[in-house]
Amino acid sequence: EVQVLESGGGLVQPGGSLRLTCEASGFTLSTYAMSWVRQAPGKGLEWVSTINEGGGVVWYADSVQGRFTISRDNPNNILYLQMNALRAEDTALYYCAKGFSSTHGSFFGIWGQGTMVTASS
Amino acid sequence: IVLTQSPATLSLSPGERATLSCRASQSVSSYLAWYQQKSGQAPRLLIYDASNRATGIPARFSGSGSGTDFTLTISSLEPEDFAMYYCQQRSNWPLTFGGGTKVEIK
Repeated sequence: EVQVLESGGGLVQPGGSLRLTCEASGFTLSTYAMSWVRQAPGKGLEWVSTINEGGGVVWYADSVQGRFTISRDNPNNILYLQMNALRAEDTALYYCAKGFSSTHGSFFGIWGQGTMVTASS
Repeated sequence: IVLTQSPATLSLSPGERATLSCRASQSVSSYLAWYQQKSGQAPRLLIYDASNRATGIPARFSGSGSGTDFTLTISSLEPEDFAMYYCQQRSNWPLTFGGGTKVEIK
């Protein structure tokens, strides 16, 4: 079964750091672009970041540019999101999402259940 | 690119037809997807490239449009279809989602 499983969320003080992990199974990670999408409590979906299949090209939302870093470990089927200088407005459920296909990598075909990040003092 | 979905809420009965709109602030060609999100669950891809159903999506779901105006139609609402629906474009970075339409039971 194709699935992704996020972990690493938690409560952190504003200005702090967290690293989210997404473990992929049932497919070859290196074949697909991967993304992070977040959803603040009671709000809509917000794209955060995407990384291409090989890891050499990344894109970020303006709201996280310079603070968040997406990376991947293809041999071990893991996607990461390093989050630094966290702000209260980063509080959200963070989803890991698999690109729909090799030609539609920036549509999201498989989603995890999410990991909650709360930035609060 | 800003995606504006309307209406914000659609109140309908099972068996009725639902028509959801997504308007882009500039052309996204056909690079638009629709997702369904049920309460407490992750989103699910329904439609990609404006009109193509993803694997396993029932035929009652259909998408249409190109350029700036798009429509998701549910031909006859089933009880499990009452949920939030989001559109998303991949024409330009940053990727963006619409604000969502809630389809609720009347």
